[in-house]
Amino acid sequence: QKEVEQNSGPLSVPEGAIASLNCTYSDRGSQSFFWYRQYSGKSPELIMFIYSNGDKEDGRFTAQLNKASQYVSLLIRDSQPSDSATYLCAVPLGYSTLTFGKGTMLLVSP
Amino acid sequence: DAGVIQSPRHEVTEMGQEVTLRCKPISGHNSLFWYRQTMMRGLELLIYFNNNVPIDDSGMPEDRFSAKMPNASFSTLKIQPSEPRDSAVYFCASRYRDLGTEAFFGQGTRLTVV
Repeated sequence: QKEVEQNSGPLSVPEGAIASLNCTYSDRGSQSFFWYRQYSGKSPELIMFIYSNGDKEDGRFTAQLNKASQYVSLLIRDSQPSDSATYLCAVPLGYSTLTFGKGTMLLVSP
Repeated sequence: DAGVIQSPRHEVTEMGQEVTLRCKPISGHNSLFWYRQTMMRGLELLIYFNNNVPIDDSGMPEDRFSAKMPNASFSTLKIQPSEPRDSAVYFCASRYRDLGTEAFFGQGTRLTVV
């Protein structure tokens, strides 16, 4: 069983700061990584995925992948209170499904 | 499209009763997933269907759980008999094709077994 580890948090940052969320995974063969955001009481929604080593940017979000060290990060620049949510890291399990970490709760204070 | 539709949104039942959760995937999506989420275990995959056929049910906890997908627009997850440890939020998700496309989650069913 592939394992995905995340710090449960909460990670507290002030509004406007950079929030850094980290995820480590056990399977060196993992090729793609997904970040989902889940607001309290809501369902998960995909915000980014990354396949290659290095950085991938989408607006205020940057995903960073380091396969040698087996970690993937999500940076949120200019954090807003509306970014307060739980962020789930996911890696493929086989060819068709995902296994999720337990998530990191992010709290952005105004 | 209205997205993935799950019903009921909330279910409270007594231990030993049968519970049926329902899911309508997004039209045209050929993959369907049932997940269970708890604080202790996070989001766990229970079963995965592709083109209405169960492909991977290794996450189904025990024989008390069963899932069906009689057609492309409907799936059920049944628990019989239910137990308090089954209390969780159950999500259904659907996806158009392969892993590179986004899976869309329904709003979930919060199940409480007392």
